[in-house]
Order: sequence, then C-alpha cells, then structure tokens
Amino acid sequence: DGGITQSPKYLFRKEGQNVTLSCEQNLNHDAMYWYRQDPGQGLRLIYYSQIVNDFQKGDIAEGYSVSREKKESFPLTVTSAQKNPTAFYLCASSMQRSDGYTFGSGTRLTVV
Amino acid sequence: GESVGLHLPTLSVQEGDNSIINCAYSNSASDYFIWYKQESGKGPQFIIDIRSNMDKRQGQRVTVLLNKTVKHLSLQIAATQPGDSAVYFCAENILSGSARQLTFGSGTQLTVLP
Repeated sequence: DGGITQSPKYLFRKEGQNVTLSCEQNLNHDAMYWYRQDPGQGLRLIYYSQIVNDFQKGDIAEGYSVSREKKESFPLTVTSAQKNPTAFYLCASSMQRSDGYTFGSGTRLTVV
Repeated sequence: GESVGLHLPTLSVQEGDNSIINCAYSNSASDYFIWYKQESGKGPQFIIDIRSNMDKRQGQRVTVLLNKTVKHLSLQIAATQPGDSAVYFCAENILSGSARQLTFGSGTQLTVLP
C-alpha cells in the first residue's frame, strides 16, 4: 500500500542537540511538507519542497533545516537554534499541482 | 497575513445527533477548502473538500457548505457516532507559484456523548 511514513513516533532531545526526523513516501508525490503542531493549535508550515534538491522556507523555518536528495525522502533536522522544539511534527506530501495532502502519523519531539 | 479561523474550540453532541462545525476564512482569493479530521496522536485525515464555485458538497454522512459572501464554511456530520470524536480542521488551499499550500485553522474538538 502506498503511504507516507514518519519515524520515530516519539523522540527525546537533550538541550543543545540536533535531531533528525524522518519522512518517507512511496506515493510518487512531487511535493513534501513539514508542519509543526502545538497543543490546541493548528498546523504551522516549517519547510516545503516541490522538487528534488529544492526547498522553501515556510512560516516558522528558524531553527530547522531540511534536505531533499531523493523524491521519496524529506528529513527535517531540529537544530539547537530552535529554542522551543517540543511539539508534534507532521510530514505531508502531494502531487505537484494537486490539491490533496496525505499526512504521516507524526513524530512527537520532547526536550529533556 | 490572512488566516483561517474557527468559531468554537469545543463542541459536544449526543450520539445520533447531527454536528455542525464552523470555520471562517479571511483570504478572499482562496478557491479551495478542505476539512480534515485528526484523532489524538495521529496525522490529519482528509474528510471532504469544496471549491469556491460550489456552495455545497456531500459525502458519506458529511456535508460541507460554503458561503463566499460572508467567507464562512461549515462541516455537518449526520448521526454523529463515537468514532467521530476528534479535532476537526478547516484549511484553505492557496495556489502559490506552481504548488498549493494549506493554511490551517486552530481546530474544533468534537466530543460525542453516549
């Protein structure tokens, strides 16, 4: 079955560490997205990528970095520059010019 | 910037009753809207969508109504079931360059009472 997979489901980070969240899709979608969700709030866009080797900042890109070396993969690194990283992170994908987004099941990141 | 918002953060309904979840948007250029359902600890799931050239669209037990005059849309769930308990988000989908981007509201928590 085609889908989008995020790993790990839970991730703990110490102060000052960088951590990388994985997002893989086998839907042959061109575009991929990373969102952050805080309790009781909607989704805020961190980064998005329309094609391989290209990505754009979203509304809250500071403290995050991404890469898009393969169509199927769009990993997100939460750097030590992100001062409040505890949140639920969601990855999504869509066909170029398509209207529907498919979401992964999310990664819950906690700073310890 | 313009944003999507929801009127009510929580909604409780009796099992079997109909639910109505409301959403206001402010971007007059938005031409496509999507409702998502998010269960606790999971990613959002697509429920139904509607384009701005339509006023109403029906799915299985769900109906979305769009009022462009007042920039308002609603999601109606018929015969609400316990499995409908979740957070519901409306999102406006804006074409930016060659890609579409979603802007989400803060969500409404629907609780179905036995």
